[in-house]
Formats: sequence, C-alpha cells, structure tokens
Amino acid sequence: QLQLEESGGGLVKPGGSLTISCAVSGFSLRDYYMSWIRQAPGKGLEWLASINGYNGNTEYADSVKGRFIMSRDNAKSSVSLQLESLSADDTAIYYCTRDNLVSGFDVWGQGTTVTVSS
Amino acid sequence: EIVLTQSPDTLSLSPGESATLSCRASQRVSDNYLAWYQQKPGQTPRLLIYGASTRATGVPGRFSGSGSGTDFTLTISGLEPEDFVIYYCQQYSTSARTFGPGTRLDI
Repeated sequence: QLQLEESGGGLVKPGGSLTISCAVSGFSLRDYYMSWIRQAPGKGLEWLASINGYNGNTEYADSVKGRFIMSRDNAKSSVSLQLESLSADDTAIYYCTRDNLVSGFDVWGQGTTVTVSS
Repeated sequence: EIVLTQSPDTLSLSPGESATLSCRASQRVSDNYLAWYQQKPGQTPRLLIYGASTRATGVPGRFSGSGSGTDFTLTISGLEPEDFVIYYCQQYSTSARTFGPGTRLDI
C-alpha cells in the first residue's frame, strides 16, 4: 500500500527553523521524484520543492529558494524539508507528495502543520 | 514559470447539472502534463485527472478532462452533492511545478 506519513510540524518563533520529514512506504524512493507542497490557512496549494529520488537533485520555488532545503535518505525511505528563517507567511499545512513525472502528484500524505508565531 | 489561471473563481450550480471549469496556462504545457485535483474541506487533495484527460484510479466517469497547449477544461457531468468542493489545476511539464488558484463549486 502506497503511504506517505509526515512528521515534525509544530509551533516555531519567527526567524526560527524546523525540519519536517516524510516516511515513504509501498514504493521505492529511488524510482520517483518527491515534492513538498503547502497550503496556508484558507488559501490554495503551493509547490515548494522537489527531489529526484535517484540522484538527489533538487528544485525549489522562488518563494523558498535559499531558505528551504529538501533532502532524501533512500536507506530510511524518507524525505525531509529543512525550513529556515521562518515568518508568519510560512504558516501552513505541509504535504509530502509523490511527484510522478507522468501523472502528477499521485500520492499524498495527510500533512503536517507548521505554525510560525511568537 | 508557467502561471495557471482558473475560471471562474466560483461556480454556482445545482445537483444534476454539468460543470465546466477552465484552466489557462501562460505558456504551452508540453506533453499535456496538466492535472486536476479535488479538495474537500479538511481533506488532502486528490488527483482526479492527469495528462489533461486521463482519469486517475477510482475516479468516477462523470469527471472528464480535455484540452491541450494552453487551454484545459475539467467537465463534471451530472453533479453529485459531494462534488461541490474546490478544484485545482496543476502543470508538471516544467521542473518548477505550479498550481492554479482553484475554482470553488457551490450549490
């Protein structure tokens, strides 16, 4: 069964950092790209970053480039997103997704909530 | 990056009617790598259509996608009460993926 399970969300102060993770099961991370997508309260979906599960190459949205770092650990079947220099605008649900080059974001996790507040 | 525009912002219809949702791209979406997602309140988005016109596994036949290049359409024939939610288009033809702002389907 294809499954993604995010963890690591929580409350962080402005300017702070946080790392969120996603445990992958049911498929090999090496065979797919993975992406992080977020949704601010009452807002739409925003793609943030993707990683090539085979070679680790990454791509980032301009809005987070230089602040967020995506990585993967094929041995642990997990991907992570390191969030830095956080502001209130980063408050959102963060979704881990399988980024299928043929069929889009075809597997989604339930999301982890990041709240940036003093 | 490819900017996606969805119209209308909100579409008000009744159960049984048909809905036509539009997604327009700022530049050509190569290979028709355009997907549609449905999001119900408090739930994770669900992939409905990929490759502009292929239904994802388990998606009812009343959902259909069409279009190519820069203009794409999601059609829902015979609306069911559970269809009155939000729909997003998304392109995956470039490494910088982008979503449209969404269309809300209201009863």
